[in-house]
Amino acid sequence: AQKVTQAQTEISVVEKEDVTLDCVYETRDTTYYLFWYKQPPSGELVFLIRRNSFDEQNEISGRYSWNFQKSTSSFNFTITASQVVDSAVYFCALSGVSYNTDKLIFGTGTRLQVFP
Amino acid sequence: NAGVMQNPRHLVRRRGQEARLRCSPMKGHSHVYWYRQLPEEGLKFMVYLQKENIIDESGMPKERFSAEFPKEGPSILRIQQVVRGDSAAYFCASSTSRDVSGWGEYFGPGTRLTVT
Repeated sequence: AQKVTQAQTEISVVEKEDVTLDCVYETRDTTYYLFWYKQPPSGELVFLIRRNSFDEQNEISGRYSWNFQKSTSSFNFTITASQVVDSAVYFCALSGVSYNTDKLIFGTGTRLQVFP
Repeated sequence: NAGVMQNPRHLVRRRGQEARLRCSPMKGHSHVYWYRQLPEEGLKFMVYLQKENIIDESGMPKERFSAEFPKEGPSILRIQQVVRGDSAAYFCASSTSRDVSGWGEYFGPGTRLTVT
């Protein structure tokens, strides 16, 4: 079975603080993809990153960075120097490479509130 | 607009009516996915379609719900005889096949269905 766990339901920080959002996944697939999406208050889903299971290099994009560790089945997301505009719900998702489906399994999301 | 398009953005139906949600995938994408987000919850997979074929409908309720992706035109998610519990945001995503560089699921803005 595939499962994504985002244990942090809600996080509150003050602007300029760094914050890490945790994501732990379970899968029997040897090849799979991991994603992060952002859902701002307006409700749309914004694609942030895709990582495949063979690429364990950490990635940095501006203030965003991702730490993928296969050994602990984790794909954590860090925002450096947070800003009010980062306030949103963040979802981690998993897609296994199986014969007939590319569906995404989502975690329950972490609501991040950044206060000025 | 080259993104995934969904309409209507908001839909109000009375109990017992039918709801039709439309999704036009990104240009060049032949795979469509529908997800449902109940209030304050994460996204749940409903159905995965390719042109004229349902590939995986394991997340779709067996009754009242149907989906299609015809050769021409948008994908349609149809809910017959709506009930209050169907009130949710319905998101459509599209993708290429996995072997295409840059593969990932890109989401539309969602349709918010309210059943009164």
